[in-house]
Amino acid sequence: QSVLTQPPSVSAAPGQKVTISCSGSSSNIGNNYVSWYQQLPGTAPKLLIYENNKRPSGIPDRFSGSKSGTSTTLGITGLQTGDEADYYCGTWDSSLSAYVFGTGTKVTVL
Amino acid sequence: QVQLVQSGAEVKKPGASVKVSCKASGYTFTSYYMHWVRQAPGQGLEWMGIINPSGGSTSYAQKFQGRVTMTRDTSTSTVYMELSSLRSEDTAVYYCARAKYSNDAFDIWGQGTMVTVSS
Repeated sequence: QSVLTQPPSVSAAPGQKVTISCSGSSSNIGNNYVSWYQQLPGTAPKLLIYENNKRPSGIPDRFSGSKSGTSTTLGITGLQTGDEADYYCGTWDSSLSAYVFGTGTKVTVL
Repeated sequence: QVQLVQSGAEVKKPGASVKVSCKASGYTFTSYYMHWVRQAPGQGLEWMGIINPSGGSTSYAQKFQGRVTMTRDTSTSTVYMELSSLRSEDTAVYYCARAKYSNDAFDIWGQGTMVTVSS
């Protein structure tokens, strides 16, 4: 089972905002950069946020990341139907010497 | 453009081995690490291990120690992931993913390879 905990699902109407939390420990989130990945149905994951709060080229600023202590949050504003996907947090775990992913959160646009 | 192209779907019997390839293009192959991640049907992402294409060094998740082998061929810019002693629980989509450093974000992913283990 994953060492990073996310809510199973979140939902909101188009144009609204959602936040997804990811909770870990000092061996992972607390002392390493966090990334967020978006996985649209039937496709490979895609990098959304890296180094806690940076967006790769081409990712709209509707997506944002933040970190505090051993938790991190992904925010999506101006929600669109195309944002319906599974979202995963990920980071290196220094104790496990392994990369760990969150349990995943399904975003539904109502 | 930068891309990772994986080999096609596989169907294997329990106890057999499978070898999945991941061909890189559009960047300097030896300048980025390569991770392998798998996803069972309806489940989340699971990290399997990492290979440094420059020297070939590897590190595997404890769960797969003794069953997984990651290799690379610098002449073709291809990395391979071989999983042995397959069981039904290994049925999953297997992804390769690139990272600049060993603990860095995965910025480019392959399209995935479906491996089905069934008698």
